[in-house]
Amino acid sequence: GAGVSQTPSNKVTEKGKYVELRCDPISGHTALYWYRQSLGQGPEFLIYFQGTGAADDSGLPNDRFFAVRPEGSVSTLKIQRTERGDSAVYLCASSLTIPGQGEHEQFFGPGTRLTVL
Amino acid sequence: AQTVTQSQPEMSVQEAETVTLSCTYDTSESNYYLFWYKQPPSRQMILVIRQEAYKQQNATENRFSVNFQKAAKSFSLKISDSQLGDTAMYFCAFANQGGKLIFGQGTELSVKP
Repeated sequence: GAGVSQTPSNKVTEKGKYVELRCDPISGHTALYWYRQSLGQGPEFLIYFQGTGAADDSGLPNDRFFAVRPEGSVSTLKIQRTERGDSAVYLCASSLTIPGQGEHEQFFGPGTRLTVL
Repeated sequence: AQTVTQSQPEMSVQEAETVTLSCTYDTSESNYYLFWYKQPPSRQMILVIRQEAYKQQNATENRFSVNFQKAAKSFSLKISDSQLGDTAMYFCAFANQGGKLIFGQGTELSVKP
């Protein structure tokens, strides 16, 4: 079956512009996570959705970052007034189970590489 | 706050030999999960092996096994019979009941022919 997909695979934008990054989770997965991976670092948690609602958004760095999942499937990460420091790979992951239940494996997409010039 | 530390930025091993990657973590929780993920240049994060903290037996998946020392908060990965396809970044990660993964800084493993 299809895995987690992310579009676009690469995005180049100019400082100050608005960008949207899309994640299509595995069908039926209720949990969806966004992570940010800077060059040479491990991924850092941004936000977690359970269904349509954000269950934990403690990792969002500031109010320029926002994410939605209106129908409990596809999610969009939105970044306003982009800065050069936002350049990173943005990873999305989905999971069939909720935390604490079952093995809770997270399946990752290939990521979107965002470059802010 | 939970933290994960990988003290080996780079490792190399000859094909067919065994290599061990180190990971330590810090948490005050008693029930949690530990993972090793592999990330090749394609960027795709792939789960290698998983360990539940309440299980005393070390997890094993084919050529991959872990040495889980709960008291020492240590979770090392052993790769036996290393193959060229094992070349990648390896990340150790921690998850509590909240679900979000906390990753270490990664170890870049090179398998040499």
